[in-house]
Amino acid sequence: NAGVTQTPKFQVLKTGQSMTLQCAQDMNHEYMSWYRQDPGMGLRLIHYSVGAGITDQGEVPNGYNVSRSTTEDFPLRLLSAAPSQTSVYFCASSYSRGGTAFTEAFFGQGTRLTVV
Amino acid sequence: GQNIDQPTEMTATEGAIVQINCTYQTSGFNGLFWYQQHAGEAPTFLSYNVLDGLEEKGRFSSFLSRSKGYSYLLLKELQMKDSASYLCAGSGYSTLTFGKGTMLLVSP
Repeated sequence: NAGVTQTPKFQVLKTGQSMTLQCAQDMNHEYMSWYRQDPGMGLRLIHYSVGAGITDQGEVPNGYNVSRSTTEDFPLRLLSAAPSQTSVYFCASSYSRGGTAFTEAFFGQGTRLTVV
Repeated sequence: GQNIDQPTEMTATEGAIVQINCTYQTSGFNGLFWYQQHAGEAPTFLSYNVLDGLEEKGRFSSFLSRSKGYSYLLLKELQMKDSASYLCAGSGYSTLTFGKGTMLLVSP
């Protein structure tokens, strides 16, 4: 049972390049989210999904796309990288208990992205 | 919304007790989480309160008052390994909103 797996762990991009950050979970969780973490800013929600085929925007969605074709995978696409997207990205998954309360999120190990 | 406020930094001595406070706006709120994050690592779950009162887990306890929009994390018998960032997060229906985290430094 691997939990939440993110790849790559480190990435350097040039301004204008595109790339996809991969996230996979093997816990059959319905909820998945992407956060970015910047010094002094805490974790901020980029996009999230409540199930396969359903995605929605979070607090800082601009410049990012997501899709959720399967329960397991939730990739994050950077369309045209900018230096402002230099950050640590975390993917998380969780499930609901009894269809109501949101339970604890399990985080991947993070992707450290630098855009030059 | 769920603005989450917590102190930026705290220091404490090994063996002591420390309380990290968190305040939040109460609209759209289902529960309150605490996470621990060591430098360079992912956040890990510590505790969750959905009802008012105290939840105890070994050396860690968390308290919630929904009417006051207030929570705290209590760490007892501090150890050097407790030096980390502690994140308070409010839960909506399907997402978490995080505070900026409290960096705790434990000294000998």
